[in-house]
Amino acid sequence: TQLLEQSPQFLSIQEGENLTVYCNSSSVFSSLQWYRQEPGEGPVLLVTVVTGGEVKKLKRLTFQFGDARKDSSLHITAAQPGDTGLYLCAGANINSGGSNYKLTFGKGTLLTVNP
Amino acid sequence: EPEVTQTPSHQVTQMGQEVILRCVPISNHLYFYWYRQILGQKVEFLVSFYNNEISEKSEIFDDQFSVERPDGSNFTLKIRSTKLEDSAMYFCASSEVWAGELFFGEGSRLTVL
Repeated sequence: TQLLEQSPQFLSIQEGENLTVYCNSSSVFSSLQWYRQEPGEGPVLLVTVVTGGEVKKLKRLTFQFGDARKDSSLHITAAQPGDTGLYLCAGANINSGGSNYKLTFGKGTLLTVNP
Repeated sequence: EPEVTQTPSHQVTQMGQEVILRCVPISNHLYFYWYRQILGQKVEFLVSFYNNEISEKSEIFDDQFSVERPDGSNFTLKIRSTKLEDSAMYFCASSEVWAGELFFGEGSRLTVL
């Protein structure tokens, strides 16, 4: 069974601070996705990283995929209250036949940015 | 903006009852999924569906579960005889292409008493 461990589980910071959350696994994934989930809503895709060592930026968010494609990090610069939410990472698996595709999710990091 | 819609938003049922959760995927999407999230736990894959058949299912998706695309627009998840441990938020998702971006619905919360 492939597992994704996210840390920290909870993070509460002040507006303007920087933060990094982590997503680690002992397994290799074909790609890794980061989602944000608001209370009572479904996950919304933020970014997909595919290549080992890849870095993607989305405004104040920087996503990095580890060289071995087993881990990833999300760094937020100058956090704002609107960044508050549950951040989920999900590893994509393609079966050996290449016909099926599913996501394995971590438990998430619950971020609270206080004004 | 196109979105995945799910009904009902919340259903309360007695243990042993049948439940059908409904989803309308984005219209031009071809790949459909059900995931669930037990309160406080991670989002878990249940089943994927393409070309009117199940592509893959998890060990959670036992013979009490079934999926159907009855009319070309709806995608349903049926639980034949609900158990207490089926209480969870059930998310439907769809994608346009294989391994493409998944768009999730807002979820259906199922509470089994």
